[in-house]
Amino acid sequence: EDQVTQSPEALRLQEGESSSLNCSYTVSGLRGLFWYRQDPGKGPEFLFTLYSAGEEKEKERLKATLTKKESFLHITAPKPEDSATYLCAVRGGADGLTFGKGTHLIIQP
Amino acid sequence: EAGVTQFPSHSVIEKGQTVTLRCDPISGHDNLYWYRRVMGKEIKFLLHFVKESKQDESGMPNNRFLAERTGGTYSTLKVQPAELEDSGVYFCASRHSETEAFFGQGTRLTVV
Repeated sequence: EDQVTQSPEALRLQEGESSSLNCSYTVSGLRGLFWYRQDPGKGPEFLFTLYSAGEEKEKERLKATLTKKESFLHITAPKPEDSATYLCAVRGGADGLTFGKGTHLIIQP
Repeated sequence: EAGVTQFPSHSVIEKGQTVTLRCDPISGHDNLYWYRRVMGKEIKFLLHFVKESKQDESGMPNNRFLAERTGGTYSTLKVQPAELEDSGVYFCASRHSETEAFFGQGTRLTVV
C-alpha cells in the first residue's frame, strides 16, 4: 500500500526566513510525485510533478527535489502570500493519488 | 479555459437523507476522479472514471455511495442514505492522459 508522510504538520516562519517541507513516501512503482498548494475553502492547486530521483523543479520562491525515499519543498525568502497548506501526493500502481496530511505553513510579516 | 466545477459548494442534510454531488470536469479530460477529506485526515481516493467507465472504485467506502458519469462528461456522486461519518469535503479532479490532475473547489457535506 502506498504511503505518504509529511512533516512538519505546521510551520510558522517570519517573512524572508527560508525553510524546507518534507515528504517521505513508500510506493510500488512511482509514476509521479506531486506537490499541491491548498488555500482555505479551495481545492488543491497544482505546483510540481517529479518523476525520478535527482529531479528538481522551480517556480518563483519554491523548489521541489526528489530522492528515492523523499521529496523536499524548499521555500526561499517566503512572503505572507505563500501561507497555505502544502500537500504531497504520489501516483503508484493505481491511477488515483495517495496524499499526505499536508504541512500548514504560516508566513508572518 | 474553465476549471473543474463542483456543486453545490456546501450541503447540510439529515442522517438518512440522500444527497447528490455533481462535478463538471475540464472539457476534453477523459480521466475523472473523486476524493474525500474527512476532518483531521488526509485526502483519500474514492474512484476513477475513464470516459464513462469506472476504472477503479477501490476507495469507495460502501454501497451507500454510487458514482456515475453518463456520456463521459459530468459525473455525479450520490450518497444514499447518508450517515454521520460521511461528512467531509468531497473533491473532484480531472486530467488528460499523463498530465497532472486539476481539482475543483470541493463540496463540503455535513450530515447532522
